[in-house]
Formats: sequence, structure tokens, C-alpha cells
Amino acid sequence: HSVLTQPPSVSSAPGQKVTISCSGSSSNIGKNFISWYQQLPGTAPKLLIYDNNKRPSGIPDRFSGSKSGTSGTLDITGLQTGDEADYYCGTWDSSLRGLVFGGGTKLTVL
Amino acid sequence: EVQLVESGGGVVQPGGSLRLSCVVSGFIFSDYSMNWVRQAPGKGLEWISYISGGSTTRYYADSIKGRFSISRDNVKNSLILQMNNLRDEDTAVYFCARDRVGTYIDYWGQGTLVTVSS
Repeated sequence: HSVLTQPPSVSSAPGQKVTISCSGSSSNIGKNFISWYQQLPGTAPKLLIYDNNKRPSGIPDRFSGSKSGTSGTLDITGLQTGDEADYYCGTWDSSLRGLVFGGGTKLTVL
Repeated sequence: EVQLVESGGGVVQPGGSLRLSCVVSGFIFSDYSMNWVRQAPGKGLEWISYISGGSTTRYYADSIKGRFSISRDNVKNSLILQMNNLRDEDTAVYFCARDRVGTYIDYWGQGTLVTVSS
């Protein structure tokens, strides 16, 4: 099982908003920044959010992140069919001394 | 443009060995730490190894410790994963990934598939 906990799936309608949660512990999210990745079918993951809430160049502001304590969330507004993908949270775990990821959340845009 | 291109995947029998390579371009390789991350078929991402820019620090996931070894050649701009004593559960797509300050990955390769099967 994964160190970070995410819901297996979420769904919403085009144009709506969805929130994906990521729960960890004091040795990972509690101590370090969260990042979020989008993986479209058959492709490599792509960085969406880093340092809890920063977007790399080229990522639209429809994607936003936040962190509180040992949990984080990814918000996606103005959903588009092209947003259908698997989303992963990640961070460094200071006890395990390695990167850890959530199990992934499959987003369906109905 | 940052590029990471993995190679070396294939089919190998349980107990066998395989050497993965990742050649990078578009950035000063020695300035960055690197990671290997794998993804079993239909499963999530699993980090397996990290190496610092000067190779002084290396970390391994428990699942592969003692069997896999990470290294790099900063002259050839290449990252290596030597995999020994392979098991069925090592079957996965292996991604080479550029590290940023030890907390996130900003660039990923396209991945190379390793299948362990008799």
C-alpha cells in the first residue's frame, strides 16, 4: 500500500470543480512540501504543482494546491474532458529517506 | 529543451540481471540529483532510487535494496540502474526523473518496460 493516501477516483461534470485529497504523516507531508503530478493514459507523469502551491510554467491556473498539517489538496476548476487522467501526490519522507507517492486518483469528467 | 531518454528494458527471467540507462540533454547534468521511479502495470508510482549530482549520496527503497544499484556518468550525461536478482514483482515501466531539492520531480523520461517472466 502507498505511504500517502488518496481517493481512488473522483468525478465531476465539465466546467465544474473537483478536489483531490492527499493524507500523510508527520514524517512526510508534515515536514516537507507536497507536489502533484498528472498522468494522461499511456504517458509519463507531468509536474502540476510543487512546493504545495506553485505551478510550473505552462500549467494553467485552473490547477491549484494547498497543504495543512499532514494533508494536502489539489483543486481543479473549469474541468475539461482533457483533464481526465490519474493524479498523484508526492513528497519526501524524512524517516524512509525517499520520495513517497499516493496511490493515485483517477479523474473522470462526465 | 530538457530531455531524458531511457533504454535497456526488455524481458528477463527471474533471477536475471538488466542494466537500464538514461541519457539526458538540455541541462547541466552534474548540477542535478536524479531518481528512478517505476510503475507496475495498472498500478501507481513507486520511487526506487536517488543519486546526488556528485554521486556522494544514494538512497534506495527497501523493495530493491541490495539488488539494484544506481550510478551516473556526468561526462556522458547518463544515469544507470543496475538490476540484479530480478523478481516477478519488478515488472514495471521504469522512469528516469530529474530531482528538485529532494522534494519533487520536474522532468520525467518516457519510461522503459522491464518484464520479469519465465
